[in-house]
Amino acid sequence: DSGVTQTPKHLITATGQRVTLRCSPRSGDLSVYWYQQSLDQGLQFLIQYYNGEERAKGNILERFSAQQFPDLHSELNLSSLELGDSALYFCASSVGDGPQLFYGYTFGSGTRLTVV
Amino acid sequence: GESVGLHLPTLSVQEGDNSIINCAYSNSASDYFIWYKQESGKGPQFIIDIRSNMDKRQGQRVTVLLNKTVKHLSLQIAATQPGDSAVYFCAEGGKAAGNKLTFGGGTRVLVKP
Repeated sequence: DSGVTQTPKHLITATGQRVTLRCSPRSGDLSVYWYQQSLDQGLQFLIQYYNGEERAKGNILERFSAQQFPDLHSELNLSSLELGDSALYFCASSVGDGPQLFYGYTFGSGTRLTVV
Repeated sequence: GESVGLHLPTLSVQEGDNSIINCAYSNSASDYFIWYKQESGKGPQFIIDIRSNMDKRQGQRVTVLLNKTVKHLSLQIAATQPGDSAVYFCAEGGKAAGNKLTFGGGTRVLVKP
């Protein structure tokens, strides 16, 4: 158990639908990052939040949005789903750019999204 | 930090041999480097990290080498085992990048019995 919790583990939904993926960061981490990974591909950075505020955006589609709540958990919302959105979605957390020493990211086990 | 979505290069290794995975990084200001292992269907897991004030760091069966002159990072796995079959990602970052990581594209390691 990495300490980063993602739910659900699997999600099957139809095209055009909307889903919400949830992530609880490791205790003490203030930053949350979302990544998309298609089959046999690398990690595509979507978005980062730090202590409730958006910090960085990657190649995130306009149909996708995210937020980080006061308790630091984060949700990734995917709407108007298309077949090509089928992928593994990972959340990672870190201390962020605060005063603590940086030790990289801790990843969750991911949510496998299948759009049919 | 995002990686390029390319087809993963593959390294085939005989069980018991040593593996070397190479990674070129781009930002000379990066001061933190890390290797992750990702098994099929799972999240990336920390293997080993190194800061820019070091050239070499050893863990259990793994060694990371950092050559800042040519911006090159490598991961050596000693006596490769079937359980080492996975995709390996390098990442660079640190304070200069706001403690964000930029990931390499990944290398698939296949261990042959």
